[in-house]
Amino acid sequence: DSGVTQTPKHLITATGQRVTLRCSPRSGDLSVYWYQQSLDQGLQFLIQYYNGEERAKGNILERFSAQQFPDLHSELNLSSLELGDSALYFCASSVDQGTYGYTFGSGTRLTVV
Amino acid sequence: AQSVTQLDSQVPVFEEAPVELRCNYSSSVSVYLFWYVQYPNQGLQLLLKYLSGSTLVKGINGFEAEFNKSQTSFHLRKPSVHISDTAEYFCAVSAYGGSQGNLIFGKGTKLSVKP
Repeated sequence: DSGVTQTPKHLITATGQRVTLRCSPRSGDLSVYWYQQSLDQGLQFLIQYYNGEERAKGNILERFSAQQFPDLHSELNLSSLELGDSALYFCASSVDQGTYGYTFGSGTRLTVV
Repeated sequence: AQSVTQLDSQVPVFEEAPVELRCNYSSSVSVYLFWYVQYPNQGLQLLLKYLSGSTLVKGINGFEAEFNKSQTSFHLRKPSVHISDTAEYFCAVSAYGGSQGNLIFGKGTKLSVKP
């Protein structure tokens, strides 16, 4: 157990729907990162939050949004889902800005049908 | 800007043979370097990291990596692999922020250990 908790582990939903993925960072970590991993695109950085504030943005679609709450847990919202959004979504956390490395959760596997 | 190149997308090897997974990076500033491992259907787990000091870094599961500044490389090695080492391995470099986050990952190398 890495200490980073992601729920749910698996999610199957239909095209056009909206889902929310949840991440609880390791105790004491202030930064949360979201990644998408698919067979064709590999590991893609989506977004980073540090202590509630957005700090870096990567290849995140406009249909996707995220936030970090005062208790430091984070949610990734995916809307108007398309078949191509099927992927593994990882959350990672770090104490600071991540210069010394991240701790990853076990991921949420999203299947859009 | 920083970047990472993993030179082999797939590496097949027989059990008990040595293995080297290659990683090159580019950066105009000093960097920290990492290797992560992803077992099937799991998240990424830190294998080892180089922050400073000795250029030979030892990690978990018998893996080690050597930082070579002149060749901008951080190759991962294991003298004798096991079936259980079958996984995907990612090299990463710290990026001090920016649009790619604070760690830039390579595209991964799939290590397949055959009996």
